[in-house]
Amino acid sequence: GAVVSQHPSWVICKSGTSVKIECRSLDFQATTMFWYRQFPKQSLMLMATSNEGSKATYEQGVEKDKFLINHASLTLSTLTVTSAHPEDSSFYICSASLGSEQYFGPGTRLTVT
Amino acid sequence: AQTVTQSQPEMSVQEAETVTLSCTYDTSESDYYLFWYKQPPSRQMILVIRQEAYKQQNATENRFSVNFQKAAKSFSLKISDSQLGDAAMYFCGSGGTSYGKLTFGQGTILTVHP
Repeated sequence: GAVVSQHPSWVICKSGTSVKIECRSLDFQATTMFWYRQFPKQSLMLMATSNEGSKATYEQGVEKDKFLINHASLTLSTLTVTSAHPEDSSFYICSASLGSEQYFGPGTRLTVT
Repeated sequence: AQTVTQSQPEMSVQEAETVTLSCTYDTSESDYYLFWYKQPPSRQMILVIRQEAYKQQNATENRFSVNFQKAAKSFSLKISDSQLGDAAMYFCGSGGTSYGKLTFGQGTILTVHP
């Protein structure tokens, strides 16, 4: 089956620093990848849609300058949280589409101290 | 636009019993599909079942089945012979075949009692 990986699985960073999260489709090419944010016991909130070779489309209310998304190849999308603050601490999940199917990564837990 | 509503924040069931999770939706899409995802404590999203809206027959996957009522915009999930491993947060949702974005409901936490 289609596999999506994320790296790192857990990251702790200091307030004011930036952190990059990678999302890779391991055995298929994904023209579109999605980034979600999830708080404990809540639903997934779509942050942005990432298409290979073009600028990401951000959902309303998501700061594009704070959450930088790059989709440089058909198998890799990255999310960079810039100048992180404690309120950015959350669980970030990516997914990659293959046809009308979406495959989810295992998620990245970000803790900002 | 699509909206998905799960009105049961928490549900519980005894092992080996049957439980039904409710979901209603609204969509402006003519070509769409519905799904249930399971998120166990590992937080990995696992597709439980998917139903194409144009199909009248309810989808089934082993112990999991759906009751799809298109006119009522209802899409409930029935779990038969519940197992301890079914304990998780369950998300109902919809997607359009013409675009990739998925819309998720609020989620239902399912507890399975031994």
